[in-house]
Amino acid sequence: ELQLVETGGGLIQPGGSLRLSCEASGVTVRTNYMSWVRQGPGQGLEWVSTIYNGGTYYADSVKGRFTISSDISKNMVFLQMSSLRAEDTAVYYCARRLYGGYDYWGQGTLVTVSS
Amino acid sequence: QSALTQPPSASGSPGQSVTISCTGTSSDVGAYNYVSWYQQLPGKSPKLLIFEVTQRPSGVPDRFSGSKSGNTASLTVSGLQAEDAADYYCSSYAGSNIYVFGTGTKVTVL
Repeated sequence: ELQLVETGGGLIQPGGSLRLSCEASGVTVRTNYMSWVRQGPGQGLEWVSTIYNGGTYYADSVKGRFTISSDISKNMVFLQMSSLRAEDTAVYYCARRLYGGYDYWGQGTLVTVSS
Repeated sequence: QSALTQPPSASGSPGQSVTISCTGTSSDVGAYNYVSWYQQLPGKSPKLLIFEVTQRPSGVPDRFSGSKSGNTASLTVSGLQAEDAADYYCSSYAGSNIYVFGTGTKVTVL
């Protein structure tokens, strides 16, 4: 069974940095489109970033501040977040994309940016 | 990368049908057949209902159906059930490996 487990969320001050991790089982991150999608409190879903076959893609709202990467040996995906702002406060989901749809999602990890 | 537009709310009685619209532009919904729909129950992760405009993943009831016309996609829930009360989101490919989600619709079963 495919499973995605996110960790690394927490409370961070504005301007700070945080790294989120997504451990995948039942799916090989190297050969799949792996993405981060976030959801602010009481808000809708927002695509953040995708990694596939060495290529990385970002939403305009995080470009230059967030970096997505993967560790093939550990079958994990990461999201390094820097210069964090209050508006980055959200639950961050790791998701696998297949045929244009996100078919597997993790349980999410909460990031709170506040002083 | 603007969010796709969905009505904030929709409702119907048990057994009725409800249709949710998702309006984008000629650069996303209108350009690609990569529209997907998600159901999110309170406190839960989203669940894929529809991909590639009309396709249902295994296990999703055929009460859920998708369509598209021009820059607008739609999700129809037929035979509405109490368990269908949830938030629904659309998503579309927007080119260059960029995806955009809709603003979300809260469905109430009366």
